[in-house]
Amino acid sequence: DAKTTQPTSMDCAEGRAANLPCNHSTISGNEYVYWYRQIHSQGPQYIIHGLKNNETNEMASLIITEDRKSSTLILPHATLRDTAVYYCIVRVAINTDKLIFGTGTRLQVFP
Amino acid sequence: GAVVSQHPSRVICKSGTSVKIECRSLDFQATTMFWYRQFPKQSLMLMATSNEGSKATYEQGVEKDKFLINHASLTLSTLTVTSAHPEDSSFYICSARGPGHRSYEQYFGPGTRLTVT
Repeated sequence: DAKTTQPTSMDCAEGRAANLPCNHSTISGNEYVYWYRQIHSQGPQYIIHGLKNNETNEMASLIITEDRKSSTLILPHATLRDTAVYYCIVRVAINTDKLIFGTGTRLQVFP
Repeated sequence: GAVVSQHPSRVICKSGTSVKIECRSLDFQATTMFWYRQFPKQSLMLMATSNEGSKATYEQGVEKDKFLINHASLTLSTLTVTSAHPEDSSFYICSARGPGHRSYEQYFGPGTRLTVT
C-alpha cells in the first residue's frame, strides 16, 4: 500500500472549516484514499473514502487532486468534538482487509 | 448499526499471568476481525487478522504463541496475552470488516487498556 504524509498537528477555530491535507504521491491506480479519526482513548472511526472523484457525506468532504497524488479532508464547521487524530490511509480496492495506520494529524479545535 | 464491543475496557494483571480480551460484533456477522495495539502517543499497529474458523494471520514481528487469537464464531474473536510482562502494557483495539454493503468500512471497538504490573 502507498505511503502517506500528513502534518503532525493542526489547529482550527470552532465553527470554521478544517482542511486536513494528505500527500500520497506513490498511489497506484487501483488504490483508494480512506480517512479515519481517533478521539482520545477510543477506537478509530471511519469518516470517508474515495478513488478519484470528490466525495461528501454527513461527516466530511474529500477532495482528491486530478493526479491523485494528494487529497484534503474538509470538516465544514469544526466543533470541539472534532478534536482527534485524523489518519489518511491508502489501500487497494474497497474490501481489502488491512488498514495500515500512519502517524496521522492531531487536530485541535479551539473555542 | 455495525457496533463492535470489547471486554474488558480496562484490566490490570500481574506479570506472568494471562489475560483474555473479547471482541464482539453486536449486530452483524464478522467473518474477519483485526487486532491492533497502540502505545501512548503512537499510532495503531496491526497485530493480526482473525478469520472465523481458521488460524489467525500474524504481522511480522508479532509472536503468535504469546498473542493467541481465537475466532470461534461469526460474532466473537478473542485475544489472549500469555505470560504478560510490563512491556505488554498497551491499548488493544479490535475491528471488524463491515457487513454486506458496508464492507469497505472497518468498525472499531472502544479498546482495552491493559496494564501489567
